[in-house]
Amino acid sequence: KAGVTQTPRYLIKTRGQQVTLSCSPISGHRSVSWYQQTPGQGLQFLFEYFSETQRNKGNFPGRFSGRQFSNSRSEMNVSTLELGDSALYLCASSPGLYNTGELFFGEGSRLTVL
Amino acid sequence: GENVEQHPSTLSVQEGDSAVIKCTYSDSASNYFPWYKQELGKRPQLIIDIRSNVGEKKDQRIAVTLNKTAKHFSLHITETQPEDSAVYFCAASNGNNNDMRFGAGTRLTVKP
Repeated sequence: KAGVTQTPRYLIKTRGQQVTLSCSPISGHRSVSWYQQTPGQGLQFLFEYFSETQRNKGNFPGRFSGRQFSNSRSEMNVSTLELGDSALYLCASSPGLYNTGELFFGEGSRLTVL
Repeated sequence: GENVEQHPSTLSVQEGDSAVIKCTYSDSASNYFPWYKQELGKRPQLIIDIRSNVGEKKDQRIAVTLNKTAKHFSLHITETQPEDSAVYFCAASNGNNNDMRFGAGTRLTVKP
């Protein structure tokens, strides 16, 4: 089975721009979660999608948004980029049903905002 | 929402010694507690997990304990080896993974 795939792996943007990151989950997984990872802050929960519906959202401003498509692929968008948005963005997939346990992570998209 | 606190943030041990990492959680509805290991430049990977109906779980050199009353759980690594050096994250979830929250991580260094 192919793992979780994230694109692009690296990108550089300037303040004020917007960015779209993509995540393809493991085949058959219907849940995709997004996390922001920064040094010292661990993995901060952004949002989770299941069957095209956002089930939960973390404490991030409205500039961070996401969506999920019918094939379970997900995208997240950050608008009006700020320097503090520089981070590794990780997505993780799981079957999404109750008691399914493990999250499977992608390798991440490293965003640098200049 | 759930809030997970993790201590210590850094831990250095001598090879062969034991390492213990502790986490607390706030939401009594949480019932699934995984631990992830992230090696430098790699993705986090599950190493062990425990559900709320179990107090302890072991897998070779690693074990996790859970105290539901006190809302805390711990990771124990015995006979540490240099390859155990990594960042370890604890997490808590309500079971369907729509809200898995992670601790801030512990950077473990095992000195040969």
